[in-house]
Amino acid sequence: DTAVSQTPKYLVTQMGNDKSIKCEQNLGHDTMYWYKQDSKKFLKIMFSYNNKELIINETVPNRFSPKSPDKAHLNLHINSLELGDSAVYFCASSFNYNEQFFGPGTRLTVL
Amino acid sequence: AQTVTQSQPEMSVQEAETVTLSCTYDTSESDYYLFWYKQPPSRQMILVIRQEAYKQQNATENRFSVNFQKAAKSFSLKISDSQLGDAAMYFCAYAGAGSYQLTFGKGTKLSVIP
Repeated sequence: DTAVSQTPKYLVTQMGNDKSIKCEQNLGHDTMYWYKQDSKKFLKIMFSYNNKELIINETVPNRFSPKSPDKAHLNLHINSLELGDSAVYFCASSFNYNEQFFGPGTRLTVL
Repeated sequence: AQTVTQSQPEMSVQEAETVTLSCTYDTSESDYYLFWYKQPPSRQMILVIRQEAYKQQNATENRFSVNFQKAAKSFSLKISDSQLGDAAMYFCAYAGAGSYQLTFGKGTKLSVIP
């Protein structure tokens, strides 16, 4: 029943590791997004895919790489994790320019 | 670039009372959308209300309503008959028409006092 789901919900890892966060939506939306929410709760867009095509690519370290195997999935892979990557990462989806529906978030802690 | 400003980092309201959260934005576009999202302690982002800039009528969703002043670039959220479950972070957000980019304000933390 979940509209936008993310796995895992919590991720604790060591500096230097590589990790992935998966996102799936069952709303039939054509656009998906990744946001980062920092410790001060500020939300900033990182990437967006429309019909599997990258349309938004904000200034994000190239250690972050999104991958969209199909319209319903958008994964985020992070290489060489750093302490500053600790944050909550949200996936979202929308149909065209309409309101975005968010997943439950993934809290990433880098030790 | 568009900016969204929420000038109240924290607000509190007595249960059953009314509270208004402020939001201003800066844009040179004439057509756009504005949103209020709620983030309770569960951290789930929930859409509360949406306003299209071309509509003069203020949006309303049950106890939630907005005061949209296009000329002043102001978009405040009014919560009537506040309930304990309304306690959350509230984010104002802007999207230009034809744009996938959603720009958020820094949020207002609302506490509801029983």
